[in-house]
Amino acid sequence: SQQGEEDPQALSIQEGENATMNCSYKTSINNLQWYRQNSGRGLVHLILIRSNEREKHSGRLRVTLDTSKKSSSLLITASRAADTASYFCATDADDSWGKLQFGAGTQVVVTP
Amino acid sequence: KAGVTQTPRYLIKTRGQQVTLSCSPISGHRSVSWYQQTPGQGLQFLFEYFSETQRNKGNFPGRFSGRQFSNSRSEMNVSTLELGDSALYLCASSLQARLDGYTFGSGTRLTVV
Repeated sequence: SQQGEEDPQALSIQEGENATMNCSYKTSINNLQWYRQNSGRGLVHLILIRSNEREKHSGRLRVTLDTSKKSSSLLITASRAADTASYFCATDADDSWGKLQFGAGTQVVVTP
Repeated sequence: KAGVTQTPRYLIKTRGQQVTLSCSPISGHRSVSWYQQTPGQGLQFLFEYFSETQRNKGNFPGRFSGRQFSNSRSEMNVSTLELGDSALYLCASSLQARLDGYTFGSGTRLTVV
């Protein structure tokens, strides 16, 4: 079973627009990570935010974390066609080494 | 530096057979995790190894097993294959997972017929 849910399941935007996706989870976490996957290939690590952090930036990515609501959001600014992919959030629980629990993912399509 | 290498990339097996998948982590990474990805169940954790010891295991039947060697390379084995084992199997390695996250390989696509 999966730890959390992602919303929306799919997102279609045009180049230059921003894309926002949300992730909710259920248990206490050490950190939350976001990954990208292109066409059923391996996952690419995007960003990690620790439970004591509220916001983190990396290039065009902005991640927020609200541990009181057990939720996170990923914002991709100024989207490009190359951002077309599935995006997954994954939680690293406090009491569980080496195990990530993934959400179902958000499929993002960016059209030129 | 070289990434996480998984071999083979594709496999077709018959029900009842067994299969071994291999993963070579990034040099210096001692933690190796395995995940199964299917359209129906998504990404599911199989197990994690650190310095040849299994530290964590997911909710999979005993037909799924793994091991890690002294050079951190890891293998996973699935015995008595079932149609439902058809999936993308992903391996990930990390140096300091709780600081840097994981680096994933490209996966092994297993089809059971």
